[in-house]
Amino acid sequence: DQQVKQNSPSLSVQEGRISILNCDYTNSMFDYFLWYKKYPAEGPTFLISISSIKDKNEDGRFTVFLNKSAKHLSLHIVPSQPGDSAVYFCAASARTGANNLFFGTGTRLTVIP
Amino acid sequence: GAGVSQSPSNKVTEKGKDVELRCDPISGHTALYWYRQSLGQGLEFLIYFQGNSAPDKSGLPSDRFSAERTGGSVSTLTIQRTQQEDSAVYLCASSDFYEQYFGPGTRLTVT
Repeated sequence: DQQVKQNSPSLSVQEGRISILNCDYTNSMFDYFLWYKKYPAEGPTFLISISSIKDKNEDGRFTVFLNKSAKHLSLHIVPSQPGDSAVYFCAASARTGANNLFFGTGTRLTVIP
Repeated sequence: GAGVSQSPSNKVTEKGKDVELRCDPISGHTALYWYRQSLGQGLEFLIYFQGNSAPDKSGLPSDRFSAERTGGSVSTLTIQRTQQEDSAVYLCASSDFYEQYFGPGTRLTVT
């Protein structure tokens, strides 16, 4: 029972263009959402997060949007750079509980130079 | 400062053997998590330690899996009588608030 879903296993984008990675969740108790980036043979690295009281959070080239009514969030990377090529995991938690994260299956982003 | 470290980085074991995986969290982090990632799957929560509280074991897939955290720091995940379906990358994370910081993982292969 996958509570966090990333329906696109891969995405290819030209350097300089916008990358949009999508994520859907089913549990309405989730109130904190994170994006992690993972390179091969390394653990996931925290990228950006958003609380359910917000609908947007921006950090440099990275912006996360949250649509609570649709239970959908997205990560925008602009402009995309070749070094952004990695697997991106969406994660969610319900902070009143154990705060363990529920992860999606990941989207492999390839930025083409 | 030092991040989360895990050892070994790779472990190959025969079906039926026991294995121990080690995690050294970031100093001062009170929360420690274990996850695993099977081929083609997302990260699956296994167990959570918070300070001196009883661990949340709700994610452990069977009673062959156990974990302990000694002195509120180092943690060991033990898998008894390993099965081929236990093959995965086992990731440890530590946290001081909401963001979790991951180690590089241990790739376990059960033959």
